[in-house]
Amino acid sequence: EVQLVESGGRLVQPGGSLRLSCAATGFSLSSYAMNWVRQAPGKGLEWVSAISGTGGSTYFADSVKGRFTISRDTSKNTLYLQMTSLRVEDTAIYYCVKDGGSYPYYFDRWGLGTLVTVSS
Amino acid sequence: QSVLTQPPSVSAAPGQKVAISCSGSSSNIGNNYVSWYQQFPGTAPKLLIYDSHKRPSGIPDRFSGSKSGTSATLGITGLQTGDEADYYCETWDSSLSGFVFGTGTKVTVL
Repeated sequence: EVQLVESGGRLVQPGGSLRLSCAATGFSLSSYAMNWVRQAPGKGLEWVSAISGTGGSTYFADSVKGRFTISRDTSKNTLYLQMTSLRVEDTAIYYCVKDGGSYPYYFDRWGLGTLVTVSS
Repeated sequence: QSVLTQPPSVSAAPGQKVAISCSGSSSNIGNNYVSWYQQFPGTAPKLLIYDSHKRPSGIPDRFSGSKSGTSATLGITGLQTGDEADYYCETWDSSLSGFVFGTGTKVTVL
């Protein structure tokens, strides 16, 4: 059974950094693209970043480009999102999402999410 | 600001049908597949439709998807109180080189 468990969300000050993790079970990260999608309190869904199944291609929303980095450790089957220069508007639940293909395609399975709060 | 436009809300009586529209452009819906997601309050979204019209296993055939030009539609027939949720469309935008979501539609069963 596919499971995605996010961790690392917490309260952080503006300008700070944070690394989110997503432990995946039931499939191999090497076979599927993976994504991070966020949802600000009371707002809609916003795609943040994706990494291909090979790990050779990464994609970012304009709102986080240059500040966020996506990576993975296939030996641990874990996905990461390194967030720097955090802003108040980055406050959201961050979902780890398995893709339906090896390259960005559609959002097949979702984790429960981890809450990131950026506030002074 | 989302590049895909959905109506904020739709409603109908139990047993009736609703259609949720998703309007985009040639850089997104016009040249890419559309997916749809269902989200209940306080929970993660769930895939309902992919490849514009395909249902994952376990999704009842009361849910259907279609696409024409730069618009897509999610249909729900035989509406049930358990269908009350937020629904989002999503697709790849070739100009942005990223995924885009719709603004979201709240379905209410009267």
